[in-house]
Amino acid sequence: KQEVTQIPAALSVPEGENLVLNCSFTDSAIYNLQWFRQDPGKGLTSLLLIQSSQREQTSGRLNASLDKSSGRSTLYIAASQPGDSATYLCAVIGGGGGADGLTFGKGTHLIIQP
Amino acid sequence: GAGVSQSPSNKVTEKGKDVELRCDPISGHTALYWYRQSLGQGLEFLIYFQGNSAPDKSGLPSDRFSAERTGGSVSTLTIQRTQQEDSAVYLCASSLGTSVNTQYFGPGTRLTVL
Repeated sequence: KQEVTQIPAALSVPEGENLVLNCSFTDSAIYNLQWFRQDPGKGLTSLLLIQSSQREQTSGRLNASLDKSSGRSTLYIAASQPGDSATYLCAVIGGGGGADGLTFGKGTHLIIQP
Repeated sequence: GAGVSQSPSNKVTEKGKDVELRCDPISGHTALYWYRQSLGQGLEFLIYFQGNSAPDKSGLPSDRFSAERTGGSVSTLTIQRTQQEDSAVYLCASSLGTSVNTQYFGPGTRLTVL
């Protein structure tokens, strides 16, 4: 059974710092990996999707990498801003494709101090 | 364009009553997913629909849970004889296809069973 772990569980940094969120998964037979953010009381917003054949994806100040063989992904946030404060979730979809749905980590709760 | 919508946004019910939760996916999206987010469990995949095909129900937590999708669009998740442990946020997502496509999430329905 696929398991996804996110480290750290919580992180608080001053505004302007660059930071890295980590995600690991136990079964490397994945189709893709997605990073989401969740604001309190809200649904999930997709940030980046990396296909299993890709190594990284970038969107603005966000860069996500994928090392499928080692079961790891990182989300790099450059020049952090208070608006980046949220819970960041990593999720993978497994070898069964859509029938498996996404398997989520428990998230990293990020606070950016003004 | 319109995103995934869910109704109701909040539902409070008494233990033992039945509830129906509704999801309207993004127009043209053939794949639809239901997830549950509870405090102790994180985000948990429940069921997946591809078009009108019969879903794999093995992820549903008990036989009190059922889901259907009519006309390949709107979906309803029904919980019969609700229990307090059913209290959670129920999230719906849709995507263009299956494994390779981004899943877009609705705002969720917060269910509270008294």
